[in-house]
Amino acid sequence: QVHLQESGPGLVKPSGTLSLTCTVSGDSISSTNWWNWVRQTPGKGLEWIGEIFHGGNTNYNPSLESRVTMSVDKSMNHFSLELTSVTAADTAVYFCARLGRGFDYWGQGTLVTVSS
Amino acid sequence: DIQMTQSPSSLSASVGDRVTITCRASQSVSSSLNWYQQKPGKAPKVLIYAASSLQTGVPSRFSASGSGTDFTLTISALQPEDFATYFCQQSYRTPFTFGGGTRVEIK
Repeated sequence: QVHLQESGPGLVKPSGTLSLTCTVSGDSISSTNWWNWVRQTPGKGLEWIGEIFHGGNTNYNPSLESRVTMSVDKSMNHFSLELTSVTAADTAVYFCARLGRGFDYWGQGTLVTVSS
Repeated sequence: DIQMTQSPSSLSASVGDRVTITCRASQSVSSSLNWYQQKPGKAPKVLIYAASSLQTGVPSRFSASGSGTDFTLTISALQPEDFATYFCQQSYRTPFTFGGGTRVEIK
C-alpha cells in the first residue's frame, strides 16, 4: 500500500520560505513515477505547483517557477518543496501526490499559513 | 495554460438519481483527462483516469467519456457516500490544471 505523508511548519512569516517534505512508503522514490506538489485554497481551488523525477528532472508551474525548488532524497525516500518570498496568498493546504494513473496517491494535506 | 471549465458548479440531487458533470478544456487534451472526488478535509481521490478508465476499487456506477475538449462524468445512481465535490484535471501538458469543481449536494 502506497502512503505519502507531508511534514513541515504550519506557520511561515511573510517574505520567508515555506519548506515541506513528503515521505513515501510502499513505493520507491526511484520508480518510474513523477512526484508532485498541489495546493488548494477556497479562492483558487486546486493548483498544481510542480513535479520531480528521481533523476532530478523537474517541471514547475510558470506562475510559481521563480520561487519554487523541488528536490529528491533517495536515501530517505522523500521529496521536498521550497517556496520562497511567501505572502498571504500562499496560505493553502499543500498536498504531495504521485502521478501514476492520474494523481493516484495523495498525502493527507498540510495547512500552511503565512502570517506574522 | 490549458483552462478547465466544469459545469455545473453545484447541483442538488437525491439518492438514486443519475448525475452528469461536464468538463471542457480550452484546447485539446486528447484523452489525458482525470476525474477526482473530494470530501471535506480529505485529499482528492482519483475515480477515472485517461478519460474513461475506472480506477481500481471505484464502484461501477461511476463512468466517464470524452476526448479532445469535451468530457463527461456520470454517476448512474447516486449513493449517500457520493455527496462530495468532483474535479476534472488535465495531464496532457504542464502546467497540469484542474477544473473549478462541482459540488454534489443532497436535495
